[in-house]
Amino acid sequence: ETGVTQSPTHLIKTRGQQVTLRCSSQSGHNTVSWYQQALGQGPQFIFQYYREEENGRGNFPPRFSGLQFPNYSSELNVNALELDDSALYLCASSSAGKGTDTQYFGPGTRLTVL
Amino acid sequence: GEDVEQSLFLSVREGDSSVINCTYTDSSSTYLYWYKQEPGAGLQLLTYIFSNMDMKQDQRLTVLLNKKDKHLSLRIADTQTGDSAIYFCAGCWAGSYQLTFGKGTKLSVIP
Repeated sequence: ETGVTQSPTHLIKTRGQQVTLRCSSQSGHNTVSWYQQALGQGPQFIFQYYREEENGRGNFPPRFSGLQFPNYSSELNVNALELDDSALYLCASSSAGKGTDTQYFGPGTRLTVL
Repeated sequence: GEDVEQSLFLSVREGDSSVINCTYTDSSSTYLYWYKQEPGAGLQLLTYIFSNMDMKQDQRLTVLLNKKDKHLSLRIADTQTGDSAIYFCAGCWAGSYQLTFGKGTKLSVIP
């Protein structure tokens, strides 16, 4: 069974740039959730995708957007990067459509905005 | 909205038991989870419990749930240096798609 994978591992961008992070869900899972973890904090929910549609969203501005593909993989896009976007971005996959099933996390992408 | 609170630090001696505590505010039915995060890594699921249960045991891990006090604990028996990490309590409340996390408890194991 393949676990959740994310790419890239690390990324450095400058303010105002755009970034795309990628996630492959665990085999057999059809739902992907994205979280932002700032240094010293717990992860904060960004949004969830199920059947290629956004299935719920946390308190993040519209410049955070996502996609889910037919193979259940997902992308997180962040436009107009700000310094406060520097964080570990975690992807989690699960097998239920409404998010109450257990979420399994990938290793994360460390984004640094200069 | 839901709120999850944890103490930030815990230090124990190798071989002792560790107890990590968590409190939450939402009393609706839910799954409650414990995740472990090692430095620079993602989150590893340790165990979970549904809110109609009082206790769950899985090898060295014991989860206790006090629904009246909205209190969750994780006990690690025979704590080892490899257990040093940050432990997160999280809940996924009814009607929600998201996990709500505490800030994490940093467990330090002294050899």
